[in-house]
Amino acid sequence: DVKVTQSSRYLVKRTGEKVFLECVQDMDHENMFWYRQDPGLGLRLIYFSYDVKMKEKGDIPEGYSVSREKKERFSLILESASTNQTSMYLCASSPSVGQGGGYTFGSGTRLTVV
Amino acid sequence: EDKVVQSPLSLVVHEGDTVTLNCSYEVTNFRSLLWYKQEKKAPTFLFMLTSSGIEKKSGRLSSILDKKELFSILNITATQTGDSAIYLCAVCIAGNQFYFGTGTSLTVIP
Repeated sequence: DVKVTQSSRYLVKRTGEKVFLECVQDMDHENMFWYRQDPGLGLRLIYFSYDVKMKEKGDIPEGYSVSREKKERFSLILESASTNQTSMYLCASSPSVGQGGGYTFGSGTRLTVV
Repeated sequence: EDKVVQSPLSLVVHEGDTVTLNCSYEVTNFRSLLWYKQEKKAPTFLFMLTSSGIEKKSGRLSSILDKKELFSILNITATQTGDSAIYLCAVCIAGNQFYFGTGTSLTVIP
C-alpha cells in the first residue's frame, strides 16, 4: 500500500527552537508539497518541490525553509519557531503533471509552539 | 477506517460539456467536506460544505452534500479548457484532521 509518512503525529516545541518536520513517500513521485491547515482556512501551500534539490515558494513561505536531498524525502524546517506557526502541517506527493493521478497526503503533524 | 473515494479517476470531455464529479466518504466525527482545484502549483479552495441539501454555487461550478448517503458532487457546466485540472475532495473530521481523495483528473478538449 503506497503512502506518505510524516515522522511525527504531534509535536510541542518552544518559541525560538529550530523544528524539523520530515516526510517520506514510497511512490517515486516527482512532486512533494508542504501545507498548513488552520481552522476556517483551506490548505495553504508553504513550499513545494518538483525534483531533487529543486524547490519553489508557495503562498506562505515566510519563516519556513525546505530540503529535498533525496527524491523520497522532503523536509520542512522552521528556523525559529513562533506561536503563530502552531498548526496542522500536511505533506503530500504527486506524480508529474500529465502522468495522471492525484495527491497522496500524509496523516499530518500537529505542531504546537509554546 | 476513515476513507474518501473520488470517481471517476480521470475524465476527458469536450468544451461545452457538463461534468459531474463524485466524492463518497466514510469517516467518524464528520465536520465538513471541501473541494479543491489543483492546476500547477497547489490546490485552490473551491467550496466548503457542512449541511446536507444546500447547494453552493460559484459561476459555472456548483456542489452539494448528502450527509445521509455520505457523498458530495461537484458539477461544472459549459466546461472550458481552463477547467482542466485535478479536482480534490477532502473531508474534515474532529480535531482538524483531513482525509483526501486521490482526485479526479479532468481534461477539457477544445
